[in-house]
Amino acid sequence: GAGVSQSPSNKVTEKGKDVELRCDPISGHTALYWYRQSLGQGLEFLIYFQGNSAPDKSGLPSDRFSAERTGGSVSTLTIQRTQQEDSAVYLCASTKYTGGNSGNTIYFGEGSWLTVV
Amino acid sequence: DQQVKQNSPSLSVQEGRISILNCDYTNSMFDYFLWYKKYPAEGPTFLISISSIKDKNEDGRFTVFLNKSAKHLSLHIVPSQPGDSAVYFCAALSRYGGATNKLIFGTGTLLAVQP
Repeated sequence: GAGVSQSPSNKVTEKGKDVELRCDPISGHTALYWYRQSLGQGLEFLIYFQGNSAPDKSGLPSDRFSAERTGGSVSTLTIQRTQQEDSAVYLCASTKYTGGNSGNTIYFGEGSWLTVV
Repeated sequence: DQQVKQNSPSLSVQEGRISILNCDYTNSMFDYFLWYKKYPAEGPTFLISISSIKDKNEDGRFTVFLNKSAKHLSLHIVPSQPGDSAVYFCAALSRYGGATNKLIFGTGTLLAVQP
């Protein structure tokens, strides 16, 4: 597709279960981000992948959260032992990173809405 | 520590008038700023951006102003239309200085344009 694709679009899970959220970035985009937006909150940075560099994991809220990016394309965000406070929309974004002197923009998917009950 | 702040959670304006959305930042390393617009149940979409070497960027009805000394930027929408009603996020990043290309968002301002 032409845009960033995320799946599932909606997920309801029981507290304590693990969930996986998938992101397909725009073809050719080397940089990929995960953000989340909780109810009434702004966009919270979670993790950033750029090419073969080590990911910036500084936004992951706990060790229950992890993410991978295989082959420099698709990314999976995994939340283990989900808690109710993990309920949020998880947004993936990608960009064609061209180095520091870039005027690029970042394109978001429509998000995966996670509800932990 | 909120590095990008949007102090007005909501704004209501009349159709045809000007909408002014404000954003403040604290990190002097930020050198690129973007505005995103978000409708309910959709992902944010890029609206307009500005580099720190400029103080103004205009695109149709949308103009972004940057005041580096005050660490303040604003988005002007003229004339405002009902379809502009959405949440507007200000975002900033540092493209140099060894920092990762990490986009930091404000908390958003809900704009309601009244017909």
